[in-house]
Amino acid sequence: AQTVTQSQPEMSVQEAETVTLSCTYDTSESDYYLFWYKQPPSRQMILVIRQEAYKQQNATENRFSVNFQKAAKSFSLKISDSQLGDAAMYFCAYLFTTSGTYKYIFGTGTRLKVLA
Amino acid sequence: DGGITQSPKYLFRKEGQNVTLSCEQNLNHDAMYWYRQDPGQGLRLIYYSQIVNDFQKGDIAEGYSVSREKKESFPLTVTSAQKNPTAFYLCASSISVSGANVLTFGAGSRLTVL
Repeated sequence: AQTVTQSQPEMSVQEAETVTLSCTYDTSESDYYLFWYKQPPSRQMILVIRQEAYKQQNATENRFSVNFQKAAKSFSLKISDSQLGDAAMYFCAYLFTTSGTYKYIFGTGTRLKVLA
Repeated sequence: DGGITQSPKYLFRKEGQNVTLSCEQNLNHDAMYWYRQDPGQGLRLIYYSQIVNDFQKGDIAEGYSVSREKKESFPLTVTSAQKNPTAFYLCASSISVSGANVLTFGAGSRLTVL
């Protein structure tokens, strides 16, 4: 069965510093997608970044980048130049297709605190 | 602006009552989803619908029901059979982007059973 593990329930980072959030997953599939979603205090989930498993190049979106290690089944999120607005819950998610249906598996989340 | 509207934002229910959470989207997305979020747990799928008049059970469908009579609307009913309904409920819709089904979420509904 596919699983997603976020081993860090909470992380803290100083403003303007860099922080890395960890995510590992388990799958026997070769074709899938990985995502990081952000849930700020407003609780509306927002897509941060996505990675296609067939792409070796790590995805980047402005200050957000990932370190995708397919063989190790690891998908960490790096936030550079952290800002107060980055404080949120971050969820790692794995997407695969089964019987023509898309299915998401979410991790339990990492709460990121940004210290001024 | 396009998006997903969930209502009500907060809802209180007495034990034994059914309640319906509304979810409306104007994104023209075909697929819609309901997730439940509890503290310390990831999002868990309750029901999903890929097209109008069709829906499937997710991982925790017991005690819930849905309908999909219109593309824009996917209401969730929390029935009295749901043993622990106090939770945060998120509705989402999706569209395929370069083969990836990217979710767009509503702002959520917080249900509290008194």
